[in-house]
Amino acid sequence: GNSVTQMEGPVTLSEEAFLTINCTYTATGYPSLFWYVQYPGEGLQLLLKATKADDKGSNKGFEATYRKETTSFHLEKGSVQVSDSAVYFCALSDRKAGNNRKLIWGLGTSLAVNP
Amino acid sequence: GAGVSQSPSNKVTEKGKDVELRCDPISGHTALYWYRQRLGQGLEFLIYFQGNSAPDKSGLPSDRFSAERTGESVSTLTIQRTQQEDSAVYLCASSFGLAHTDTQYFGPGTRLTVL
Repeated sequence: GNSVTQMEGPVTLSEEAFLTINCTYTATGYPSLFWYVQYPGEGLQLLLKATKADDKGSNKGFEATYRKETTSFHLEKGSVQVSDSAVYFCALSDRKAGNNRKLIWGLGTSLAVNP
Repeated sequence: GAGVSQSPSNKVTEKGKDVELRCDPISGHTALYWYRQRLGQGLEFLIYFQGNSAPDKSGLPSDRFSAERTGESVSTLTIQRTQQEDSAVYLCASSFGLAHTDTQYFGPGTRLTVL
């Protein structure tokens, strides 16, 4: 079946540090991959996505590359800010799931950035 | 424009009571999803609507859970005879429903506490 595995948190970094949050997946088909973010007190929102192999999604200084050979979609940012403190979720939508475009989710990784 | 809205934002109920949760999707979005997030866990898919029909109800945990959607708009999730394990945040999302690459837009959630 389909699944998403994320690195466990919490992750604590100092401002301007480099961030990597690992995400790997298994899918029966050819998925689209997403990173969602949940800031404190706010709802889930899309951070970035990639829909085919070797695509790179990017937004707000975050990047993730769809690696089919390693079934990975790791999230990276070169220099984190205090405002990046949030919970980050990796998710997939499997094209072979027919009409159902439900998202399969990782457990989330909490990031705290200290000034 | 207006995002996805959910009501109530918080609901505290006694074990055995019925509850009804409401979701108003973004206008024009044909797909609507319900997810559940238990404390410390990832999001769990419950049900998916395309228009007013529900092609996938596979995530509903028991026959105490039901959902409907009318007018390709508002959806209600009903939980009968609530149990303590139903305590969670219930999230609604909507999308254009055209492709697996679609972004799902989330509401703020309803936090359900069953005493």
